[in-house]
Amino acid sequence: GAVVSQHPSRVICKSGTSVKIECRSLDFQATTMFWYRQFPKQSLMLMATSNEGSKATYEQGVEKDKFLINHASLTLSTLTVTSAHPEDSSFYICSASLAGGLYEQYFGPGTRLTVT
Amino acid sequence: QKEVEQDPGPLSVPEGAIVSLNCTYSNSAFQYFMWYRQYSRKGPELLMYTYSSGNKEDGRFTAQVDKSSKYISLFIRDSQPSDSATYLCAMNTFGNEKLTFGTGTRLTIIP
Repeated sequence: GAVVSQHPSRVICKSGTSVKIECRSLDFQATTMFWYRQFPKQSLMLMATSNEGSKATYEQGVEKDKFLINHASLTLSTLTVTSAHPEDSSFYICSASLAGGLYEQYFGPGTRLTVT
Repeated sequence: QKEVEQDPGPLSVPEGAIVSLNCTYSNSAFQYFMWYRQYSRKGPELLMYTYSSGNKEDGRFTAQVDKSSKYISLFIRDSQPSDSATYLCAMNTFGNEKLTFGTGTRLTIIP
């Protein structure tokens, strides 16, 4: 149980375009979903926390107009990287917190974004 | 000082050895402790989860928490090459869903 999927697993896009990444909890309802960014050989950097039906809470230094997060249901959150630039190239990982659980997070497999 | 300190390694041990991975933390409000395993280019996988001092065992893995010393450990018995990965400790406070992560320890099990 507690499976989280992400789509796509890998995406290459041109500079200036937008990219949407989906995060789904497959077998449970997630009250809260999280979006992380990870650079090579570094730990996870939390970008934002999203709760179903409300606006996401962004971490300091993360541009909310660039990284649009929508949490439309208890099983789906999306991250849209708008007007992508090469410096946005990274590994993006989502996680979901189990409703009624004890705060443990279950992670998706990640999406590797390359902006050319 | 970081809230959570974790030796980044890399750590290399021979197959079959016992591995000890450790984290220390400074915030005494942390109550929930997790260990994640992350293979290269994959998302982290929850291995162990505990919220009390003492030991919790699951197969070859044992999580140990010492709240008085603000120290947590993950022990891997009979280590296998498939255990080669980065191991991240994580923790949070009561009522807070946000996790604070260690930097991760890269582990290699040598056949």
